[in-house]
Amino acid sequence: DPKIIQKPKYLVAVTGSEKILICEQYLGHNAMYWYRQSAKKPLEFMFSYSYQKLMDNQTASSRFQPQSSKKNHLDLQITALKPDDSATYFCASSQDKDWGEQYFGPGTRLTVL
Amino acid sequence: GDSVTQTEGLVTLTEGLPVMLNCTYQTIYSNPFLFWYVQHLNESPRLLLKSFTDNKRTEHQGFHATLHKSSSSFHLQKSSAQLSDSALYYCALSDRDTNAYKVIFGKGTHLHVLP
Repeated sequence: DPKIIQKPKYLVAVTGSEKILICEQYLGHNAMYWYRQSAKKPLEFMFSYSYQKLMDNQTASSRFQPQSSKKNHLDLQITALKPDDSATYFCASSQDKDWGEQYFGPGTRLTVL
Repeated sequence: GDSVTQTEGLVTLTEGLPVMLNCTYQTIYSNPFLFWYVQHLNESPRLLLKSFTDNKRTEHQGFHATLHKSSSSFHLQKSSAQLSDSALYYCALSDRDTNAYKVIFGKGTHLHVLP
């Protein structure tokens, strides 16, 4: 059974629209993260959460908003989508004090037309 | 600021030859934790190696690396490349002491192993 679930696997959106990327982890971890990967930037850290609290935000744009309704959930809301947002978005998790040892989900590939 | 520098771009070598992917880092962390992640095509990154102990070799799945704090390096090596080693390799840095909750990844090195 997959330990980190990301939904959907593929997503196509139009410019200006809003989408939510879903992430759930069943590893019992307390820390969760979002990363973005595109051809231009191989792997880019976006956010980190611990016990549903924002720990670090390296995303300059407020169009990206993480949402944590439960300890094992960390969704990513993206508003006013742009073609440059096209990328694969990875969710990851770790034990609270072992944030370097991260387990990545399968990713959501977003294409903005 | 903190940063990780890896062998740039694409490394191509023939099966059976040794692999060495360079990684150096800059950090203010007093107790750095270094990692190698591997990402095969159409898959997600996966932890390959980790170390925070100076001058101690760490091994996994045929790969090894040694953290050298004196030279701020954590090079990835393997004695004999296999076709299945073709992948994107990331060197990454975090800190064991602060509550940074952040991992700094290098830009990645594509390894392409030819038959």
